[in-house]
Amino acid sequence: NAGVTQTPKFQVLKTGQSMTLQCAQDMNHEYMSWYRQDPGMGLRLIHYSVGAGITDQGEVPNGYNVSRSTTEDFPLRLLSAAPSQTSVYFCASSYSWRGAQETQYFGPGTRLLVL
Amino acid sequence: TQLLEQSPQFLSIQEGENLTVYCNSSSVFSSLQWYRQEPGEGPVLLVTVVTGGEVKKLKRLTFQFGDARKDSSLHITAAQPGDTGLYLCAGAGRGSTLGRLYFGRGTQLTVWP
Repeated sequence: NAGVTQTPKFQVLKTGQSMTLQCAQDMNHEYMSWYRQDPGMGLRLIHYSVGAGITDQGEVPNGYNVSRSTTEDFPLRLLSAAPSQTSVYFCASSYSWRGAQETQYFGPGTRLLVL
Repeated sequence: TQLLEQSPQFLSIQEGENLTVYCNSSSVFSSLQWYRQEPGEGPVLLVTVVTGGEVKKLKRLTFQFGDARKDSSLHITAAQPGDTGLYLCAGAGRGSTLGRLYFGRGTQLTVWP
């Protein structure tokens, strides 16, 4: 199993450009989520999905869109990049969202710089 | 507003010392998790505590969940350079926030040989 994979590893964008961060998991996990990590801020939840076709907003959803057309993939779209979106983005997945003891498996992250 | 407050934010100690990291909140969580993150990588789960008052041990690491399920602590005995990393606590939402995981800001631990 590859676990959770993210592409690209690094990306530089200009303000106003759009892009999609890819996330895929091969563990047949029901739950997938996106976080951003900024210095001194920990991880903040952007969007999450409890199954194919179902998505919901997290703490900081503005400026980001998601969709979940398959169990395996959960892409994050930046509609019009802003310098405030410079961050490291992590995708995570877990078997389900119902149990309190679910282990979140994180991808290696995408480092995004918006100029 | 940070739902989970971690302290201290930075900790720099010598090999062999003991340390405790705290994770506090005014909210009740269905469970609390501790992760460790190495530079350039995603967080990796260390432990999940579910029951109020629960204590779990992982070699030299001891994790405790508060009786009211609002706070937790991580104690490391005889720290080693390999313990260096960013330690993050995360609380699992309940009720209307079921499905969400709330992270603290993290504690950056450096253990010098």
